[in-house]
Amino acid sequence: EDQVTQSPEALRLQEGESSSLNCSYTVSGLRGLFWYRQDPGKGPEFLFTLYSAGEEKEKERLKATLTKKESFLHITAPKPEDSATYLCAVHRRMDSSYKLIFGSGTRLLVRP
Amino acid sequence: GAVVSQHPSRVICKSGTSVKIECRSLDFQATTMFWYRQFPKQSLMLMATSNEGSKATYEQGVEKDKFLINHASLTLSTLTVTSAHPEDSSFYICSARKGRGVFQPQHFGDGTRLSIL
Repeated sequence: EDQVTQSPEALRLQEGESSSLNCSYTVSGLRGLFWYRQDPGKGPEFLFTLYSAGEEKEKERLKATLTKKESFLHITAPKPEDSATYLCAVHRRMDSSYKLIFGSGTRLLVRP
Repeated sequence: GAVVSQHPSRVICKSGTSVKIECRSLDFQATTMFWYRQFPKQSLMLMATSNEGSKATYEQGVEKDKFLINHASLTLSTLTVTSAHPEDSSFYICSARKGRGVFQPQHFGDGTRLSIL
């Protein structure tokens, strides 16, 4: 069964302490893996799309990578404003259409 | 800037009231929009796919008569929670794909916090 698993569930970092978030997926025929950032009480904000193994995307302190089984979101020298929940999602084929399925997210807290 | 606008951001109303939530694509046309529901500390669950000019497609377990979806134009989809009860209290979020192609990323509105007393 297609599914997305994120780890850790929660992560606390000191400002400047680099780390990585993991998103493991099992899906038949990947049609893109998406990373989103969600702040409390807000909708998800699109960060990256990765379509094939080996692909990498960067934005400020964030870098997303993709293998055939998982994706990592690397955060370099994080700042308190990077605190948020990070969600990953993939498309799952259901009947004749594709639906986006989300992982449960990683809640990141960066302390000053 | 925001590409999808959702309104209202928060609704508090009495049990039995019907509530309409609007979702607009701001600078693009969206033939398909999506409605999600999110419970506290949980991820997004797809409720339905809204198709411009045709009936919405509902996910298993979502009551069509409870959650009415109308996609009357290429930039507007509405979700009406009919005769809302406390168990309908939740965070509702809409999304739309900006580019062509089924596998383009979805862009989300800022959500509507619905509280039924």
